[in-house]
Amino acid sequence: AQTIHQWPVAEIKAVGSPLSLGCTIKGKSSPNLYWYWQATGGTLQQLFYSITVGQVESVVQLNLSASRPKDDQFILSTEKLLLSHSGFYLCAWSLDWGGPGQLYFGEGSKLTVL
Amino acid sequence: QQKVQQSPESLSVPEGGMASLNCTSSDRNFQYFWWYRQHSGEGPKALMSIFSDGDKKEGRFTAHLNKASLHVSLHIRDSQPSDSALYFCAASASSGQKLVFGQGTILKVYL
Repeated sequence: AQTIHQWPVAEIKAVGSPLSLGCTIKGKSSPNLYWYWQATGGTLQQLFYSITVGQVESVVQLNLSASRPKDDQFILSTEKLLLSHSGFYLCAWSLDWGGPGQLYFGEGSKLTVL
Repeated sequence: QQKVQQSPESLSVPEGGMASLNCTSSDRNFQYFWWYRQHSGEGPKALMSIFSDGDKKEGRFTAHLNKASLHVSLHIRDSQPSDSALYFCAASASSGQKLVFGQGTILKVYL
C-alpha cells in the first residue's frame, strides 16, 4: 500500500527565520509530486510540481522553493519566512500527468509565522 | 477570477437529510471533475470523480455533470455527522498538470 508522510506536523516560526518541510512517498515508483498551500478553511493553491527527480516547476511565486532530491522525497523551503507564509502545507502525489488523475494528499504541515 | 466556483459557501443539514453542493467552471477546457472532502486538520481525500455527462452514484453520494453548462453537483443522501467537512470541487483539462480547486463548501450535519 502507498503511504505519504509529511513532517513536521506543525511548526511555529519567527518572521525572517528559515523553514524546511518534507514529504516522503512509499510504495509508488516515480510519482508526480506536488506542494499545495491552504489558508485556514480556504482553497488549495498549487505551489510546485515535479515529474522526476531533480526537476521542479514553480506554479506561483511566494518566496518559497522546492526540491526533489530523491524519487520519493519532496522538500519545501525558504530562507526567510514572511507572515503571509502561515497556513497549511500539503504534499500530494499522482500517477497520471494531466487528465483525470487522482491526487493523494498527505496529512499536512501547519505553519504559524509570528 | 476563480475558474472553479462553488456554492453555497456553507450548508447545514439535519442528520438523515440531503445535502446538495454545486460547482461551476468557467473554463471549457476542463474535462475531468472531482469531489474532495477534507476533515478539519487532515489532508483532502478524493470522494469521487465524474468525467461524463449524467449521474454517477457511489453509495450515499451522487455526482451530476452537465458539460454544456460546465456544472457539477454533489448530492449526499442520508447525511451523517461524519460527513461534516470542507468539500472541494476540482477540475482538470485533458492535458497539463494542474488540478484546479474551488474555494470549498463547508458542510455541517447536525443531530
